[in-house]
Amino acid sequence: DQQVKQNSPSLSVQEGRISILNCDYTNSMFDYFLWYKKYPAEGPTFLISISSIKDKNEDGRFTVFLNKSAKHLSLHIVPSQPGDSAVYFCAASGRRDDKIIFGKGTRLHILP
Amino acid sequence: DTGVSQNPRHKITKRGQNVTFRCDPISEHNRLYWYRQTLGQGPEFLTYFQNEAQLEKSRLLSDRFSAERPKGSFSTLEIQRTEQGDSAMYLCASSMGNTQYFGPGTRLTVL
Repeated sequence: DQQVKQNSPSLSVQEGRISILNCDYTNSMFDYFLWYKKYPAEGPTFLISISSIKDKNEDGRFTVFLNKSAKHLSLHIVPSQPGDSAVYFCAASGRRDDKIIFGKGTRLHILP
Repeated sequence: DTGVSQNPRHKITKRGQNVTFRCDPISEHNRLYWYRQTLGQGPEFLTYFQNEAQLEKSRLLSDRFSAERPKGSFSTLEIQRTEQGDSAMYLCASSMGNTQYFGPGTRLTVL
């Protein structure tokens, strides 16, 4: 049973516009949430994280929003750039140092 | 600091052979994790170490799999009697107890 779900396998966004990637989780014990970005033939690269005690975390063009009551988080990228084209994984863990449970990923295409 | 490194990057082997992968974590990172990723899936947790102690193993880690971190620095993952279903990307990550940083992975193909 998938504990972290990314229901959109792919997303296409015009360069300069906002990209919104969504993620749902089922395990209420998750305390720490992360987004990783992955290019082909490379390992996942850490992007941004959020603790369950917060509802928003921002880092440059990237903002993660957490809605604990809905068990939903989203990643906003503003403005989207060509280099943002990659697979984005939503992930969660029980603690910061615990094993990470990943979703299946969303492939983001930034269109020129 | 050059990040997490993994060797080899690619490995092709015949079914039934043994293979061993190596992971060198970021210096001074006390935690080291192994994950496996198959096509169309996210990485799946296999096992992790704190220093040299193996603290947790996933059910995915069958008896044919063994991982070590003998001196609390680099780690090896060995797969004995490989099967075609073992074909995957094997990822290593390290941390100081917070964010996990991943290496480039070892892609295993079992013929």
